[in-house]
Amino acid sequence: SQTIHQWPATLVQPVGSPLSLECTVEGTSNPNLYWYRQAAGRGLQLLFYSVGIGQISSEVPQNLSASRPQDRQFILSSKKLLLSDSGFYLCAFSRDRALSGNTIYFGEGSWLTVV
Amino acid sequence: QKEVEQNSGPLSVPEGAIASLNCTYSDRGSQSFFWYRQYSGKSPELIMSIYSNGDKEDGRFTAQLNKASQYVSLLIRDSQPSDSATYLCAVNRMPRTYKYIFGTGTRLKVLA
Repeated sequence: SQTIHQWPATLVQPVGSPLSLECTVEGTSNPNLYWYRQAAGRGLQLLFYSVGIGQISSEVPQNLSASRPQDRQFILSSKKLLLSDSGFYLCAFSRDRALSGNTIYFGEGSWLTVV
Repeated sequence: QKEVEQNSGPLSVPEGAIASLNCTYSDRGSQSFFWYRQYSGKSPELIMSIYSNGDKEDGRFTAQLNKASQYVSLLIRDSQPSDSATYLCAVNRMPRTYKYIFGTGTRLKVLA
């Protein structure tokens, strides 16, 4: 079966410090990978998506970057965190199946508090 | 107009009742529709997907899709306190399979 894992689950970081969140998918190959952010009381905001190794698309300009060094690995990074980067970060994957198979599945999420 | 709209709630129903959650969307080209349940502090988990007009049932859950009216709903029969959560509606427009539009969710409270 297909599974997705991300870590760390929670972290508290000072302003100006770097960030690295990791996500891996198991049980499938060549998934589409996503990073979302969910601010308190708000909807899911798509940050990045990737359709293959080294292929990253950014949806919004921001202080973050993403990389996909391996087929099933997706990394979210920042060189210098801002207070506004606090939130709940979700990694997700989907497959480019036929219409009935494009469900998006989420990892466990990472709570980031920038202080 | 938001691309996907949901009433934020809270929607309160007594235990054992039917909970009805609604979602409207603006893009007529949307072809895939999903309902997720999200407990406080946790990630969204898939309840159901629906692609064709009509009803789709899975246990206590029924999803209803009406593309002409651009709405999708989720019915929860025999609601339990454990169903108390936020329910997210999401739509996807083929062939742009990478863009999933999520509503902000409806908070459901099932009262024991």
